[in-house]
Amino acid sequence: GAGVSQSPRYKVAKRGQDVALRCDPISGHVSLFWYQQALGQGPEFLTYFQNEAQLDKSGLPSDRFFAERPEGSVSTLKIQRTQQEDSAVYLCASSLDRTSGAFFGQGTRLTVV
Amino acid sequence: DQQVKQNSPSLSVQEGRISILNCDYTNSMFDYFLWYKKYPAEGPTFLISISSIKDKNEDGRFTVFLNKSAKHLSLHIVPSQPGDSAVYFCAASRYSSNTGKLIFGQGTTLQVKP
Repeated sequence: GAGVSQSPRYKVAKRGQDVALRCDPISGHVSLFWYQQALGQGPEFLTYFQNEAQLDKSGLPSDRFFAERPEGSVSTLKIQRTQQEDSAVYLCASSLDRTSGAFFGQGTRLTVV
Repeated sequence: DQQVKQNSPSLSVQEGRISILNCDYTNSMFDYFLWYKKYPAEGPTFLISISSIKDKNEDGRFTVFLNKSAKHLSLHIVPSQPGDSAVYFCAASRYSSNTGKLIFGQGTTLQVKP
């Protein structure tokens, strides 16, 4: 499809387990964002890539969170030693450039048990 | 601290009437504002945006108004349709910033009754 694709759609992890969430942005989109959305809240910024460069990671809640976009296309958000408070929907968005409207994927719902 | 606030968690209107969703912000450095619509189990979908150099932007049934002195924006939907029932998020950014990252409000759930 032509939209932003995220996988898996749902992930259940045991506390302490590492998880990896994948984002396929729209082809040609330079900017890529990760957001975390807790239940009943708006999305909260985690990190931003321009091509392969991670220009802003100010929203990452701890050093257990790590994101990469090695070839400037697909991105992976990795969470190490998951904790219950990590349970949320993780949204990926891409845009043509930093000033264009961002298109969001459907999100990955992570539940840590 | 919540830099973007949507103080009404929910709103219910009759089909054909106007829906008005409100949003307040605190950071005067924000200069670009957007509204997103979200259906259950889907990601947010961009609706409409406005730059701080304008006070109004219209796109079909959707109009966004910006009052910079009050740090307030609103989304008007006229006429409202049942398919408009969704969660609406306002978001703000610094257009001139390096990242263009969005700061979202908590969302308002709109229900349009047939």
